[in-house]
Amino acid sequence: DSGVTQTPKHLITATGQRVTLRCSPRSGDLSVYWYQQSLDQGLQFLIQYYNGEERAKGNILERFSAQQFPDLHSELNLSSLELGDSALYFCASSVSGYGYTFGSGTRLTVV
Amino acid sequence: QQQVKQSPQSLIVQKGGISIINCAYENTAFDYFPWYQQFPGKGPALLIAIRPDVSEKKEGRFTISFNKSAKQFSLHIMDSQPGDSATYFCAATEGAQKLVFGQGTRLTINP
Repeated sequence: DSGVTQTPKHLITATGQRVTLRCSPRSGDLSVYWYQQSLDQGLQFLIQYYNGEERAKGNILERFSAQQFPDLHSELNLSSLELGDSALYFCASSVSGYGYTFGSGTRLTVV
Repeated sequence: QQQVKQSPQSLIVQKGGISIINCAYENTAFDYFPWYQQFPGKGPALLIAIRPDVSEKKEGRFTISFNKSAKQFSLHIMDSQPGDSATYFCAATEGAQKLVFGQGTRLTINP
């Protein structure tokens, strides 16, 4: 157990739907990062939050959004889902910005 | 824009042999270079990391070699074991910003 908890582990949904992925960071870590992992794109950075505020944005689609709550857990919202959104979504947390700890991921399948 | 290039994509090594994975980067402002190990169904886990003021770092059977002038770094796994079979990612970051990952290397250790 890495200390970073992601739920759900698996998610199957239809095109056009909206889903929410949840992440609880490791105790004491203020930064949360979201990454998308697909077979042909490797690990792609989506977005970072630090203590509730958005800190950095990667190639995150406009259909995707995220937030970090006062208790530091984070949610990634994916809407108007397309087949191409099927991927593994990882959350990572860090206290210093170096040495991320990753969760086990959410496997999203869009059918 | 891929800022960290990793090779090879896949690698097969005999048990007891040396596994070598290479990465090259472009951004000379990168100041932290970690390697992550990922097993199927799991999130990436930090294996070993190096800063650019050091040319080599060793932890057990794992060694990072760093060549600042060539903007290259590599992971060496000595006495490779079947349990080392996994996907390995190099990464880099500048000033504790987002980690940029290489495309990954699928390592298979044959018994």
